[in-house]
Amino acid sequence: AQKVTQAQTEISVVEKEDVTLDCVYETRDTTYYLFWYKQPPSGELVFLIRRNSFDEQNEISGRYSWNFQKSTSSFNFTITASQVVDSAVYFCALKRNNAGNMLTFGGGTRLMVKP
Amino acid sequence: DVKVTQSSRYLVKRTGEKVFLECVQDMDHENMFWYRQDPGLGLRLIYFSYDVKMKEKGDIPEGYSVSREKKERFSLILESASTNQTSMYLCASSPPGTGVHEQFFGPGTRLTVL
Repeated sequence: AQKVTQAQTEISVVEKEDVTLDCVYETRDTTYYLFWYKQPPSGELVFLIRRNSFDEQNEISGRYSWNFQKSTSSFNFTITASQVVDSAVYFCALKRNNAGNMLTFGGGTRLMVKP
Repeated sequence: DVKVTQSSRYLVKRTGEKVFLECVQDMDHENMFWYRQDPGLGLRLIYFSYDVKMKEKGDIPEGYSVSREKKERFSLILESASTNQTSMYLCASSPPGTGVHEQFFGPGTRLTVL
């Protein structure tokens, strides 16, 4: 069975601080895909990144970076110099090993960035 | 841009009512999904459809049914609403095929059952 755990339910930081959101996953598949989504107060989940299990390179996109470590089954997400607009719920997800792009989601981490 | 729309942002219903939640996507996606979102539990899959008139149960289908008569529209039906179905409901769609695609989400419907 697959499982995604986001142990941090809520994080509060002050603007300009760096913050890391943790994601730990469980799967028996040798090939798998991981995702991060952002859910702002408007409610609509926004896709941030997709990473496959063969690509362990870290990725950076502006203030966002992702650290994928197969050895610890983790796919952590760091926001550098956080801004108030980063306040949202962030979800980590794992693609299920079947057709149709079904995902298993973690419980989400609510990030609050205070001015 | 992919657009997924849901018929209502907020809905209040009474216990025992039949409830319809509608979802429409405009990008000709084969795959469509219904999730419910509850605090601490993340998103849980209720039903999935990979083509017109085709559906598969997700992780928590009990108390729900779905309808996919047209490719662009996927409806979630609560046959007899109960208070434990009070939740945020999210619809999503994704392209078909063997490639791995992200899902595109609607804004959600917050349903309250009294």
